Amino acid sequence: GAGVSQSPRYKVTKRGQDVALRCDPISGHVSLYWYRQALGQGPEFLTYFNYEAQQDKSGLPNDRFSAERPEGSISTLTIQRTEQRDSAMYRCASSLEGEKLFFGSGTQLSVL
Amino acid sequence: KQEVTQIPAALSVPEGENLVLNCSFTDSAIYNLQWFRQDPGKGLTSLLLIQSSQREQTSGRLNASLDKSSGRSTLYIAASQPGDSATYLCAAPRGNKLIFGAGTRLAVHP
Repeated sequence: GAGVSQSPRYKVTKRGQDVALRCDPISGHVSLYWYRQALGQGPEFLTYFNYEAQQDKSGLPNDRFSAERPEGSISTLTIQRTEQRDSAMYRCASSLEGEKLFFGSGTQLSVL
Repeated sequence: KQEVTQIPAALSVPEGENLVLNCSFTDSAIYNLQWFRQDPGKGLTSLLLIQSSQREQTSGRLNASLDKSSGRSTLYIAASQPGDSATYLCAAPRGNKLIFGAGTRLAVHP
């Protein structure tokens, strides 16, 4: 596609529910990243894929967070048993290896 | 461990001024550094990427410099315009991931 596409744009959920956030990277980009951004802060790294392989998941806060990219394109970030502290903007980015990062518009998650 | 700091946190200037935004990083063993722009409620847009072999990159009125030995990068904005108002973030790599600073919020008033 023309840019990185994320869906949904907004997600409101109740505490304890599972949510799945989707990222469709730029076609041909082998690297895909998930970040989380709190208001007034820079993005915080969550996890990184090279093709379908999850190369680094050191930023995932706990085992309620998981991500996959089964065919090396679209990626899903799943948060199980959501908590209020999970509320944030979740951003996906893609790039050619070692090149500029292109970000999507993000998914604003609100856990009530 | 890579830590990125940006100074100032906020800046308000009249239109037409030349600006310097500062970024410092703790691990100088980097292969590149990126500057991004973020508009309120929007995503991040990559402005400039400086490879470690370069000392600066230019795009229009923007010029970014990189001094690995001192762990510093600066973003120079010439002849600022109200449309430049945004948050500017720098990011330095740690392994395969980018570590971001908290950004400089820039307001350019007419």
